[in-house]
Amino acid sequence: GESVGLHLPTLSVQEGDNSIINCAYSNSASDYFIWYKQESGKGPQFIIDIRSNMDKRQGQRVTVLLNKTVKHLSLQIAATQPGDSAVYFCAHQNQAGTALIFGKGTTLSVSS
Amino acid sequence: DGGITQSPKYLFRKEGQNVTLSCEQNLNHDAMYWYRQDPGQGLRLIYYSQIVNDFQKGDIAEGYSVSREKKESFPLTVTSAQKNPTAFYLCATSRDGQGTGELFFGEGSRLTVL
Repeated sequence: GESVGLHLPTLSVQEGDNSIINCAYSNSASDYFIWYKQESGKGPQFIIDIRSNMDKRQGQRVTVLLNKTVKHLSLQIAATQPGDSAVYFCAHQNQAGTALIFGKGTTLSVSS
Repeated sequence: DGGITQSPKYLFRKEGQNVTLSCEQNLNHDAMYWYRQDPGQGLRLIYYSQIVNDFQKGDIAEGYSVSREKKESFPLTVTSAQKNPTAFYLCATSRDGQGTGELFFGEGSRLTVL
């Protein structure tokens, strides 16, 4: 079946450090990948997305890297802040190309 | 306000009862989705609808039903056939149903079966 996985369920960093959250995916035909942030008891919020014709995309303090050869996606957060503490999910297209399939999430904890 | 409204936010149900979760959107998006989230798990797709009067099963549709009679509304019914319905339910929309655009999420409905 389809799956999206993350290498680590939890990540703890110090404020000001750079964070890297990793994700492996199974659908090599996916054209679209996306990262979400979810705070406790709330719906996920969009962070950044990338299409398969790119290997890197930058936003404000965030960068997404896509390696289609090994089916790996990563999210880099620069100068991590306490407000970045949340669960981060990666997602990609399903086989039918009609919906997004989500990974299990990485909980990022930022200490001051 | 533009957005997605899910109700109720919290719901308690006795075993054997059906319950319907509401999802309304005023974003004029074509596609709507229902996901289920369990503690420590990712989001799993229950049902989705790319257009009014049409919907498709996701990965875990058994024990659930939906309707899409209006563009703005995509209610989810959790039936008594769902063996483990306690979970956090998230409704989402996208501009189209191609799986290549951002999903916009509601704030979720937490269902507890007593």
